[in-house]
Amino acid sequence: GAVVSQHPSWVICKSGTSVKIECRSLDFQATTMFWYRQFPKQSLMLMATSNEGSKATYEQGVEKDKFLINHASLTLSTLTVTSAHPEDSSFYICSAREGTPDFTSGRMGETQYFGPGTRLLVL
Amino acid sequence: GQNIDQPTEMTATEGAIVQINCTYQTSGFNGLFWYQQHAGEAPTFLSYNVLDGLEEKGRFSSFLSRSKGYSYLLLKELQMKDSASYLCAVMDSNYQLIWGAGTKLIIKP
Repeated sequence: GAVVSQHPSWVICKSGTSVKIECRSLDFQATTMFWYRQFPKQSLMLMATSNEGSKATYEQGVEKDKFLINHASLTLSTLTVTSAHPEDSSFYICSAREGTPDFTSGRMGETQYFGPGTRLLVL
Repeated sequence: GQNIDQPTEMTATEGAIVQINCTYQTSGFNGLFWYQQHAGEAPTFLSYNVLDGLEEKGRFSSFLSRSKGYSYLLLKELQMKDSASYLCAVMDSNYQLIWGAGTKLIIKP
C-alpha cells in the first residue's frame, strides 16, 4: 500500500516559537493532502485541505495565519504552527490522496493514506 | 448539518463478538469507512461500504443500510490487540471525510 511519512514524530518547543511539520507521500503523487488535529480522547478534526500548487482551504475556526500550510509539490506538504502556545499541544496527522477517488478501481477504500502523526508539546 | 453518531465506549470479552454501530446524516454520500486507531497512532483503514449489505474481511465485517443511514462494524473472535478506537467516517458529496467521534473498545480477558 501507499506510504505517507511525517517528520518529526515528536516535538517539544517553547511557547512563542514556530514549528514545522512535514508530510510526504513516498510512493505516489498526492494531489490532495489533509491536515488533522486530534486532542486526547477526541476524534480527528480536519484543519485544512491543500491541493498541490494552490492555497489551502481551511475549516471554520482554524486560523490560517497561525497554521500555515504549503503544498509546493505532489509529494510534500508542510504545516507550520506559528507562535505556538500550550493550547496548540496536540496530535497532528496528515493524510494524502492520489487524485479524485476512483469508484471503479476497487481501491476506493484506500482513498486516504495517513501519516503516523506528530505529537506536539508546547511548554 | 452533518452528523455521525457512534457509542463512546464499549467493553467486550476476549474471544467474543462485538458490534459497533454508526448512524449518519450527511450532505451526499460517497461511501462509509471504518478505521482502527490505537492510542497514539494514526488511523488505519479497515473497511469501505458504498452499497447496501455486508462486506466480510476475515474477523471483521461491515454492514451498510443507506436508507437507514446506518452501519455497523462486527468484530469476531476478539483478541486483546483489538483494543482500540474504531472510527466511522462518511465521504460526502465533496469527497471529504466526515468523522465520527470514535468508539473506544476495551477487551477484557
